[in-house]
Amino acid sequence: EADIYQTPRYLVIGTGKKITLECSQTMGHDKMYWYQQDPGMELHLIHYSYGVNSTEKGDLSSESTVSRIRTEHFPLTLESARPSHTSQYLCASSVSLTPGLAGGDTQYFGPGTRLTVL
Amino acid sequence: KNQVEQSPQSLIILEGKNCTLQCNYTVSPFSNLRWYKQDTGRGPVSLTIMTFSENTKSNGRYTATLDADTKQSSLHITASQLSDSASYICVVSDRGSTLGRLYFGRGTQLTVWP
Repeated sequence: EADIYQTPRYLVIGTGKKITLECSQTMGHDKMYWYQQDPGMELHLIHYSYGVNSTEKGDLSSESTVSRIRTEHFPLTLESARPSHTSQYLCASSVSLTPGLAGGDTQYFGPGTRLTVL
Repeated sequence: KNQVEQSPQSLIILEGKNCTLQCNYTVSPFSNLRWYKQDTGRGPVSLTIMTFSENTKSNGRYTATLDADTKQSSLHITASQLSDSASYICVVSDRGSTLGRLYFGRGTQLTVWP
């Protein structure tokens, strides 16, 4: 079992609230990721980070923002939550199996946060 | 259009039986293919990873195959157990960047009945 943690596991909030989803890993991985997953659908990458002070947007446009001030911590923030943000959010981290091999990383996922915005 | 297609979408089998899940992809240039297991309410866990030169990889009762020519992969589960009930996700990585973009299938939802 990977040492990557997400809190809260479940969150129900009202529209317009600001929320922060926490993600921490104790494996010393440089790369971290945020995915959004709806039931029965594929995971979509919304943010990723190569290391401290490095953040990039993923394939799926998201109104959320992320920060990477410490290696082990990669929080995701929604300034004003809306019902369209209702989804499962998965955090992951990785280390390269083969340096220089693109996509060689195995990603270790946290348990996810199930967000419901009313 | 999703570049990773999985079939069947869902599958129900009896405990002790074998099953095979399919994954077809169009991702190019191909780097590697992974199968993940995702239990309900949990994050995915890696089962196997195969690169271009590998055509089979086993992990206990799980055996993955890869045909890079036809761009097909399968995951065979032997002697299924109740704990095998989960979603199995096929993930393909390309070689287009250092990050190695990942393309996720929608998963096959496997239910094992006693």
